[in-house]
Amino acid sequence: QVQLQESGPGLVKPSQTLSLTCSVSGDSISSADYYWNWIRQPPGKGLEWVGYIYFNGNTYYNPSLGSRLTISLDTAKNHFSLRLSSVTAADTAVYYCARRFVTPTKGWFDPWGQGTLVTVSS
Amino acid sequence: EIVLTQSPGTLSLSPGERATLSCRASQSVSSTYVAWYQQKPGQAPRLLIYGSSSRATGIPDRFSGSGSGTDFTLTISRLEPEDFAVYYCQQYGSSLWTFGQGTKVEIK
Repeated sequence: QVQLQESGPGLVKPSQTLSLTCSVSGDSISSADYYWNWIRQPPGKGLEWVGYIYFNGNTYYNPSLGSRLTISLDTAKNHFSLRLSSVTAADTAVYYCARRFVTPTKGWFDPWGQGTLVTVSS
Repeated sequence: EIVLTQSPGTLSLSPGERATLSCRASQSVSSTYVAWYQQKPGQAPRLLIYGSSSRATGIPDRFSGSGSGTDFTLTISRLEPEDFAVYYCQQYGSSLWTFGQGTKVEIK
């Protein structure tokens, strides 16, 4: 059974960098079958896809986040990470990691991690 | 970017009633590329439907999906107490994957 678990600081100061890690068990992030994704949800609001990384290090980001976003992976530790720089209060959200098939016709997200709330505040 | 608009924002129904949730896309999406999720408070979204009408593993058959083009529907035939939650549609037919803003199904 595949499980994903987010971890990282729950509080980040404005203008600093938000860093999170998603640990994967029950599957290998070195698999060529999947994209490994970050999705976020501001409190009381809807879902926004943030970006993904592929086993070979290729990434694709939501253009709305511009150059602030970096997603990386550590195959030895079987985890992938998110770094979002120059954060503002608008980046306050629950951040989820999720798996998605590479195949275009199988583009749903499943499974998801439980999510971690990151608050941007001084 | 394909914008998904869900309606209504809130649906107030009683257990045993039928729920019909709508998801409208700003441009045509192949039915192959639409999914639905259920989210309960404090939990991650759970996949219900993919490919517009295929139920995910373990999803009861009271949940069904349909639609094509720009209009998609999630139907819950008879609401059970555990079905009161927020539901999101998602499209994966374009390079930027997007979600609707959600429909809350609440107990009347």
